[in-house]
Amino acid sequence: NAGVTQTPKFQVLKTGQSMTLQCAQDMNHNSMYWYRQDPGMGLRLIYYSASEGTTDKGEVPNGYNVSRLNKREFSLRLESAAPSQTSVYFCASSEPPREQYFGPGTRLTVT
Amino acid sequence: QKEVEQNSGPLSVPEGAIASLNCTYSDRGSQSFFWYRQYSGKSPELIMFIYSNGDKEDGRFTAQLNKASQYVSLLIRDSQPSDSATYLCAGYTGRRALTFGSGTRLQVQP
Repeated sequence: NAGVTQTPKFQVLKTGQSMTLQCAQDMNHNSMYWYRQDPGMGLRLIYYSASEGTTDKGEVPNGYNVSRLNKREFSLRLESAAPSQTSVYFCASSEPPREQYFGPGTRLTVT
Repeated sequence: QKEVEQNSGPLSVPEGAIASLNCTYSDRGSQSFFWYRQYSGKSPELIMFIYSNGDKEDGRFTAQLNKASQYVSLLIRDSQPSDSATYLCAGYTGRRALTFGSGTRLQVQP
């Protein structure tokens, strides 16, 4: 039972490059989430998916797109990376209103 | 006004003392609240959850919820150096997603 897994763990991009962060969960949760965490800012919600086939914007969606591929997988895409997107990205899953379980995070640096 | 607010700290307490962490929220419709602990470079891990007014105890941890005053607190008894971390308060505030405070950094001095 792996819980929530994320790939990659680390990534360095140049401004303008694109990439996709992958997330998968094996807890049969309906809801999945993408957060970013910057120093002193806590966790800010980028996008979430309340159930398979649905996605909704969170607090900071600009510059990102998401795909809920199936019940297990939820990916986050940066189409044209900017230095302001340098952050740690966490994927999470849950059955609201219960607790969220987090993946190990992806450290992204955009130069 | 942020939906969930915490004092960023650092909160410094001596080993063996009680650490008191506080959180306020703005959405009166919020029903469930969570405390996560996050060590530097790691992902958040759940410490406590509370759904009802009053106190909930689990080992050295006690969560308190007061819906009338819109605050949540976490007490850590017999604080240990290993408790030194950032503590995140979170609640479901409208969206079906947790909204997090910015976290309080706790330092337990040996």
